[in-house]
Amino acid sequence: GAVVSQHPSWVICKSGTSVKIECRSLDFQATTMFWYRQFPKQSLMLMATSNEGSKATYEQGVEKDKFLINHASLTLSTLTVTSAHPEDSSFYICSARDPRGRAGDTQYFGPGTRLTVL
Amino acid sequence: AQSVTQPDIHITVSEGASLELRCNYSYGATPYLFWYVQSPGQGLQLLLKYFSGDTLVQGIKGFEAEFKRSQSSFNLRKPSVHWSDAAEYFCASGTASKLTFGTGTRLQVTL
Repeated sequence: GAVVSQHPSWVICKSGTSVKIECRSLDFQATTMFWYRQFPKQSLMLMATSNEGSKATYEQGVEKDKFLINHASLTLSTLTVTSAHPEDSSFYICSARDPRGRAGDTQYFGPGTRLTVL
Repeated sequence: AQSVTQPDIHITVSEGASLELRCNYSYGATPYLFWYVQSPGQGLQLLLKYFSGDTLVQGIKGFEAEFKRSQSSFNLRKPSVHWSDAAEYFCASGTASKLTFGTGTRLQVTL
């Protein structure tokens, strides 16, 4: 159990366009999902916490108007990178909190999405 | 603030040899501690976690970790490494609402 999927796994787009990344919890309902960004050979940086039915909480320094997060259902959160630029190229990983029992203290991660902006 | 330190950026071991990856945390109370593994271009897979109780935790793929409060450590061990264990390993502390990750240790396995 506790499987999280992401789509797409990789995307290439032109500068100035917007890209949407989906994160789904497949076998549990996730009231809380998280979006991370990972630069090459570096650790994960938390961008925002996404709560179902409410506004996302962004970490300091993350532009909320650039990285739009929507958590419209208990199994789906989306990250939209608006007006993407080459510096937005990165590996984006989502995770979901499994609320069941002690597993409620654990985040389960998706496989990641590689974004390349030309 | 919480912090997690993984002192070793890169470790190379021979297949069949034992492995220990170090992790130190800084936290006021007893934290929740996790080890995740990331294969190239992939997301993170949970290896094991410690919440409370027995300080020696067994995980998947033959990994174990020991929580030592006196040393603020949560080192990951495996008695015999396989070539497929080559990956990036991340230690993390906190709760499911807020995780702090270490900088990771890249494991290379030589045949």
